[in-house]
Amino acid sequence: GEDVEQSLFLSVREGDSSVINCTYTDSSSTYLYWYKQEPGAGLQLLTYIFSNMDMKQDQRLTVLLNKKDKHLSLRIADTQTGDSAIYFCAEIYNQGGKLIFGQGTELSVKP
Amino acid sequence: NAGVMQNPRHLVRRRGQEARLRCSPVKGHSHVYWYRQLPEEGLKFMVYLQKENIIDESGMPKERFSAEFPKEGPSILRIQQVVRGDSAAYFCASSGLSGGGYEQYFGPGTRLTVT
Repeated sequence: GEDVEQSLFLSVREGDSSVINCTYTDSSSTYLYWYKQEPGAGLQLLTYIFSNMDMKQDQRLTVLLNKKDKHLSLRIADTQTGDSAIYFCAEIYNQGGKLIFGQGTELSVKP
Repeated sequence: NAGVMQNPRHLVRRRGQEARLRCSPVKGHSHVYWYRQLPEEGLKFMVYLQKENIIDESGMPKERFSAEFPKEGPSILRIQQVVRGDSAAYFCASSGLSGGGYEQYFGPGTRLTVT
């Protein structure tokens, strides 16, 4: 099936860690992605993870993948006000070119 | 976004008119994807094209919508006889290869408003 679910809102204080969660349904997904969208802008690819990995770290970003539960998370360490945006997780569908996106999680960072 | 260009950035059309949205992929990319984002929603896949070929159009509405990616020039998403429900942001993405592990770079989008 094609379904990716995310919680809609997350609010954190500047300097805290943010954890954005995502569940997906396509067990054949080989790659999972995190994109960031700022107001009025396009999508910026933040990171992606291959399905045979459990974790990927890239500077302040940590991606965790639980393939058994089809659960993906994005952790942002030391969250800054500039991190305020909508974060989308996406899976590649059936190993083709089509990305299936979640609804997006709006991250609000308060000073 | 690694250089995907879309124009126009904003487009206003009256009901019944035609809308043409253009996308120039990153130089050297031969795979183009169109997605639609309705207000307060995530992105929904519409169509995947390679040069002169439609690979997957499973997300395209059956009527009024068409897409092409000619040998020369940009990819075009065409919406005939627009209706208010077509108001959305339309994003184009491109990649050098297809499938998992190959980043899709997104353009800034075209925001279509139908009055």
